[in-house]
Amino acid sequence: DAGITQSPRHKVTETGTPVTLRCHQTENHRYMYWYRQDPGHGLRLIHYSYGVKDTDKGEVSDGYSVSRSKTEDFLLTLESATSSQTSVYFCAISGTDKNTEAFFGQGTRLTVV
Amino acid sequence: AQSVTQLDSQVPVFEEAPVELRCNYSSSVSVYLFWYVQYPNQGLQLLLKYLSGSTLVESINGFEAEFNKSQTSFHLRKPSVHISDTAEYFCAVIPLNNQGGKLIFGQGTELSVKP
Repeated sequence: DAGITQSPRHKVTETGTPVTLRCHQTENHRYMYWYRQDPGHGLRLIHYSYGVKDTDKGEVSDGYSVSRSKTEDFLLTLESATSSQTSVYFCAISGTDKNTEAFFGQGTRLTVV
Repeated sequence: AQSVTQLDSQVPVFEEAPVELRCNYSSSVSVYLFWYVQYPNQGLQLLLKYLSGSTLVESINGFEAEFNKSQTSFHLRKPSVHISDTAEYFCAVIPLNNQGGKLIFGQGTELSVKP
């Protein structure tokens, strides 16, 4: 299995609080991605990174920010959590810019109450 | 804009029966095509992919998918399913003009194999 660790695996938080999810990889892959999974929508890209300090927005980036200060870590922050951000969040990594084989983490289930 | 449509949200089937999970895509440029599988409470795993060459691609556990360019489809098939194939299956594409290899997913199909 690819070395991807997401933390925490489960979190319950209150509306309006900041939340940070962490993705850690041991594969030294250049590309990292954050997706959210919701019923009926499949997975949708939030943000991605193509190198240290190089990030860009995905399809559903509003309300989220990311940071990548080291190759191995990609952080997703909800600045002020809302109930619409209740979801399962997946981190993925890829070694190529064409992403012909992405590896996914186990996911973080976030509930905003 | 590109999109992926999985035509069935749920597919119940009996063990040892054949199954087909349908996937259609829309794109103005060429794409790479993928099927990912998600077992309960786990992340996604790559099942098979089409990049170029033969339009029929196979996985190690008996699934196959055929790229049909004229119908913009990439349906997944298995001639005889097992209980262990119960999972959610996602079709995805990467448009070749896409910077950063961003996967575009369909909505997913829940395959439920019954004894």
